[in-house]
Amino acid sequence: AQSVAQPEDQVNVAEGNPLTVKCTYSVSGNPYLFWYVQYPNRGLQFLLKYITGDNLVKGSYGFEAEFNKSQTSFHLKKPSALVSDSALYFCAVRSGSASKIIFGSGTRLSIRP
Amino acid sequence: EAQVTQNPRYLITVTGKKLTVTCSQNMNHEYMSWYRQDPGLGLRQIYYSMNVEVTDKGDVPEGYKVSRKEKRNFPLILESPSPNQTSLYFCATARGQGGPSSEAFFGQGTRLTVV
Repeated sequence: AQSVAQPEDQVNVAEGNPLTVKCTYSVSGNPYLFWYVQYPNRGLQFLLKYITGDNLVKGSYGFEAEFNKSQTSFHLKKPSALVSDSALYFCAVRSGSASKIIFGSGTRLSIRP
Repeated sequence: EAQVTQNPRYLITVTGKKLTVTCSQNMNHEYMSWYRQDPGLGLRQIYYSMNVEVTDKGDVPEGYKVSRKEKRNFPLILESPSPNQTSLYFCATARGQGGPSSEAFFGQGTRLTVV
């Protein structure tokens, strides 16, 4: 069965510092991995995805994510955090064709000025 | 413009009064799904559909019904709402067959309160 784990409920970072939001997954077959962001009173917005190829994926708003097959991880990163990055972040996985999308429990990212 | 439209955005209702939350998409996506979001529990899948007339239970289907009579619409039905169904609901769509690499597109959400 597919599953996604986000081990941290909250991540606190000072503005200008690098940030990492962790995600691990479990699927049978090749994984398709996604990150989404949710701002207050809004739906989820797509940030980036890993399909195949380069393990470092770049996405919107300066975010990137590193796929690590041996550790079954897909951590979200940004070199220099902004206060406006404060939001709720979700990792998600699909595998195979015609399969459902499973989301992690979410990590609240708080960037202090 | 690609859109997933949910209605209503906000709803307060009483226990036991049947209600329907509508979801419509204009992207011709096969896959549609309903999630509920509760504090500390993240997104939990209620039902999903791979195509017209094909629906499957997610992780928390009790108390909900869905139908997929046409590709663009995927209504969520609460036959007899209870207070524990008070939540924020999201509809999402994605390409289905042959498209596992497709990201999901979300509606704006429906905040439901059952009193």
